[in-house]
Amino acid sequence: DAKTTQPTSMDCAEGRAANLPCNHSTISGNEYVYWYRQIHSQGPQYIIHGLKNNETNEMASLIITEDRKSSTLILPHATLRDTAVYYCIVRHATGNQFYFGTGTSLTVIP
Amino acid sequence: GAVVSQHPSWVICKSGTSVKIECRSLDFQATTMFWYRQFPKQSLMLMATSNEGSKATYEQGVEKDKFLINHASLTLSTLTVTSAHPEDSSFYICSARSEGTRTFYNEQFFGPGTRLTVL
Repeated sequence: DAKTTQPTSMDCAEGRAANLPCNHSTISGNEYVYWYRQIHSQGPQYIIHGLKNNETNEMASLIITEDRKSSTLILPHATLRDTAVYYCIVRHATGNQFYFGTGTSLTVIP
Repeated sequence: GAVVSQHPSWVICKSGTSVKIECRSLDFQATTMFWYRQFPKQSLMLMATSNEGSKATYEQGVEKDKFLINHASLTLSTLTVTSAHPEDSSFYICSARSEGTRTFYNEQFFGPGTRLTVL
């Protein structure tokens, strides 16, 4: 599975959009981009995933560049409860394991 | 749907004893479950892949005789930390892969984690 690179930490003002970038320049055609988040001392929570089209659900939007080498997770209106570590993971469509990188620690500021 | 539970949520044990952690998929069947370990301020590290009815597959560097995994049913996997030592103190997280459901095919859902402290 391709490796991902994320900024170590980010801050976002409450109520504003949080844009979390992820680079996955070695991604292959059959690999999906997944986003999970982990609130302190809890298990990871699934957010969203996509292959090449932009995706949106009740939690977030996922924007994948046309060349698929990077993506951005967007939390449209960040709240204090969105403070967490956000992990971007690339995995083959029929893949099994998830290998977590270091993630981005997002702090939402009142 | 797609809920994974772990038991216990935290455990404290003496050095040299063994500790068993359970991972259950509550509303779906999972032929494959995964065990992770997470040290403070670090990311999740995959330890092993647990396959129902067969032996687990361990990641490189993980001692299979120390971390015993049993996946006896489609909804239960257990991790036993044998002869635990203080350096085994960590947050242990399991996940289960859903199969056979249209909505969550091949997705992984994580348990809440088990905090192990070895004195």
